[in-house]
Amino acid sequence: QQQVKQSPQSLIVQKGGISIINCAYENTAFDYFPWYQQFPGKGPALLIAIRPDVSEKKEGRFTISFNKSAKQFSLHIMDSQPGDSATYFCAASMAGGTSYGKLTFGQGTILTVHP
Amino acid sequence: GAVVSQHPSRVICKSGTSVKIECRSLDFQATTMFWYRQFPKQSLMLMATSNEGSKATYEQGVEKDKFLINHASLTLSTLTVTSAHPEDSSFYICSAAQGASQRSFFGQGTRLTVV
Repeated sequence: QQQVKQSPQSLIVQKGGISIINCAYENTAFDYFPWYQQFPGKGPALLIAIRPDVSEKKEGRFTISFNKSAKQFSLHIMDSQPGDSATYFCAASMAGGTSYGKLTFGQGTILTVHP
Repeated sequence: GAVVSQHPSRVICKSGTSVKIECRSLDFQATTMFWYRQFPKQSLMLMATSNEGSKATYEQGVEKDKFLINHASLTLSTLTVTSAHPEDSSFYICSAAQGASQRSFFGQGTRLTVV
């Protein structure tokens, strides 16, 4: 069962534009929602994360919007740059016990930013 | 952010041999580490949870006798792919969660090619 669904599968944006990636989850026990950036041949790097008690979190050009009632969250990349071209994964996890740190990933979005 | 180091980054081995991959948390202690597998252009799939001082917990469908996990200290987990076959060729990535923050950090990944 796929517990985190991510869309779109791929995204092409012009330099300076806004990139938006969406995720939806099913398990209401999830309480931590990170986004990761992955370049080819590298491990994922943590970008930004949010917990369900806030609706938005911003760090530099990256913003997470969170809708608890809809069980959806999204990543917005403002002023997208060619260097942002990578694969982005949303993920979810829950605290406590054996689940601590255990991530369920979305399918990934390949972002291409054209100069 | 915290650093998780994975070694080797690439390995080529002959079919039938075994390969060991190391994962170290360099600046924090991790009682739990995770091992993921990633096929080209796909998401990360959790293979197993590595628990310091106890047996690993494997996800459904993952052969515990083929993928041996040892977590002998609070900073080191190893994954040994035993009797490797070409179908085991993949990108293996480890992660560890830091403290109470639930923030998970990933190693650089290991590209395994079995010939």
